[in-house]
Amino acid sequence: DQQVKQNSPSLSVQEGRISILNCDYTNSMFDYFLWYKKYPAEGPTFLISISSIKDKNEDGRFTVFLNKSAKHLSLHIVPSQPGDSAVYFCAAGRGSTLGRLYFGRGTQLTVWP
Amino acid sequence: KAGVTQTPRYLIKTRGQQVTLSCSPISGHRSVSWYQQTPGQGLQFLFEYFSETQRNKGNFPGRFSGRQFSNSRSEMNVSTLELGDSALYLCASSHTTGQGSYEQYFGPGTRLTVT
Repeated sequence: DQQVKQNSPSLSVQEGRISILNCDYTNSMFDYFLWYKKYPAEGPTFLISISSIKDKNEDGRFTVFLNKSAKHLSLHIVPSQPGDSAVYFCAAGRGSTLGRLYFGRGTQLTVWP
Repeated sequence: KAGVTQTPRYLIKTRGQQVTLSCSPISGHRSVSWYQQTPGQGLQFLFEYFSETQRNKGNFPGRFSGRQFSNSRSEMNVSTLELGDSALYLCASSHTTGQGSYEQYFGPGTRLTVT
């Protein structure tokens, strides 16, 4: 049962524009949400996280928005750069089972010049 | 600060053999989690160790086991290997931040091929 879903397998954005990656979840007990970037044959790289008590967190070009009522989160990358091209995963976890994350299937982001 | 390290990076085994993978977490992190990544199933949680105790376990058969040492380093063992165990095995270490959030950092992974 997929508790975290990324319904868009791919996204193509022009350099300099905003990239918006979306993620939905089904378990209202999740306390933490994280975004990762992954290149082939490498481990995921942590980008940014947000706890369920917040609705926004930003770090440089990356901003994560959390809408708990809709069980939806999104990652905004502004401005997008060609080096951002990778697969992006969202993940969620519960405070009661810290260490266990549930992952979406990923969205392939392509940023073209 | 050094990141999460995993050894070996690549491994080829035959069916029926066993394998041990090693992970060193980020200094100061006491939690180590293991995941399996396959094209068909995505990233699946195996288990998590904290202070040498298994704290969480995913839905994998008993052939998959692990342990953690007093220096937080962790090992994962798979016995009686099957072809379906071919995957990228990822280790991650984690901590909660001063701002009340949670961060989990991954190593580069061990690519296991079972023939």
